[in-house]
Amino acid sequence: EAGVAQSPRYKIIEKRQSVAFWCNPISGHATLYWYQQILGQGPKLLIQFQNNGVVDDSQLPKDRFSAERLKGVDSTLKIQPAKLEDSAVYLCASSSLDREETQYFGPGTRLLVL
Amino acid sequence: DAKTTQPPSMDCAEGRAANLPCNHSTISGNEYVYWYRQIHSQGPQYIIHGLKNNETNEMASLIITEDRKSSTLILPHATLRDTAVYYCIVRSWSGSARQLTFGSGTQLTVLP
Repeated sequence: EAGVAQSPRYKIIEKRQSVAFWCNPISGHATLYWYQQILGQGPKLLIQFQNNGVVDDSQLPKDRFSAERLKGVDSTLKIQPAKLEDSAVYLCASSSLDREETQYFGPGTRLLVL
Repeated sequence: DAKTTQPPSMDCAEGRAANLPCNHSTISGNEYVYWYRQIHSQGPQYIIHGLKNNETNEMASLIITEDRKSSTLILPHATLRDTAVYYCIVRSWSGSARQLTFGSGTQLTVLP
């Protein structure tokens, strides 16, 4: 079974630029999550989708972050404009409806904002 | 507010059992205890979860005290590949508390 795929793996941008991350969840997983992990901390949930609908985006900084999952499969997370404090690893995870207790994580995208 | 307390770091000799403690004194009746781990430069990996009974799977055992205020994750025969940050998470199945809220975890280092 293929795991959660993310790209790019690394990205370096300057502040005020925009950036987008892509995630392809495990086939058949209805629920998709985006997390932000700052160095030395645990991951923090940014947004949760079930199919193509948003379940929870309470911790997403909506003035600069946006995410979509148009066809209920792949998802993109965008930051525009980026700030220095957005430097982090962005993790995507997915889970199936019948085993929601187990989230499968991708390898993450490491973002550095200069 | 942190719902769990874990030691920041622990060492364990290869081949020995690794016992990782977690305190969750404010846990409520409908909240489960989850354990995930994160190997360096990888995403977190689910290990095990439980409500009040002890649980065992191919990766680890979870021992929850009778009052449910603390638990221990046991890796019976630690290997170098078990070196990782281990997260203990208390999770409800209702409302916003359904999300996984990660703390800082315990850095387990397995020594040769």
